[in-house]
Amino acid sequence: DAGVIQSPRHEVTEMGQEVTLRCKPISGHDYLFWYRQTMMRGLELLIYFNNNVPIDDSGMPEDRFSAKMPNASFSTLKIQPSEPRDSAVYFCASSLAGGGTEAFFGQGTRLTVV
Amino acid sequence: SQKIEQNSEALNIQEGKTATLTCNYTNYSPAYLQWYRQDPGRGPVFLLLIRENEKEKRKERLKVTFDTTLKQSLFHITASQPADSATYLCALGGSYIPTFGRGTSLIVHP
Repeated sequence: DAGVIQSPRHEVTEMGQEVTLRCKPISGHDYLFWYRQTMMRGLELLIYFNNNVPIDDSGMPEDRFSAKMPNASFSTLKIQPSEPRDSAVYFCASSLAGGGTEAFFGQGTRLTVV
Repeated sequence: SQKIEQNSEALNIQEGKTATLTCNYTNYSPAYLQWYRQDPGRGPVFLLLIRENEKEKRKERLKVTFDTTLKQSLFHITASQPADSATYLCALGGSYIPTFGRGTSLIVHP
């Protein structure tokens, strides 16, 4: 397996524009996570899915953020409208199960909102 | 509120020495603790997991301890090498999803 695949690797957008980040988890993994990493706040969990169903989205900062998982092999994180404070590295990760099971992270998407 | 503390200052050590990184937590009773390694421009990579009923776990040159009384985990790398230079994150979890610390940078000098 190629691991967790995220696209794009880098995204530069203007404030107010819509941004869509994409993730393909490892086949067979039941859990998918979206994280955001910044120097100030470290690695924060935004939302996670179990079997394509959103379980906990309490980490999503605002209504401007939304995430979907239409099937087991694809998820998106959308920011609309984007703001400069959304600039960060966004990671997608997947795992076979919960309860401390190893999480496999993608390479991340570095988002810059100008 | 739950808090996970890792030393924000980089740890600089000489090649061949043992590196020891610390993860402290408060207002938390984790069922397990994980350690991840993160290289610049890449996602974290899982290294070790230790559960609350385990005192110590080893994997090759790595050793993790977990003291639920002190609310602390120590992460040791013996015979450190320049290739061990990276940021190391601890993550604490209850029933399902772990919460990450901000990580400590380790720099091993040749």
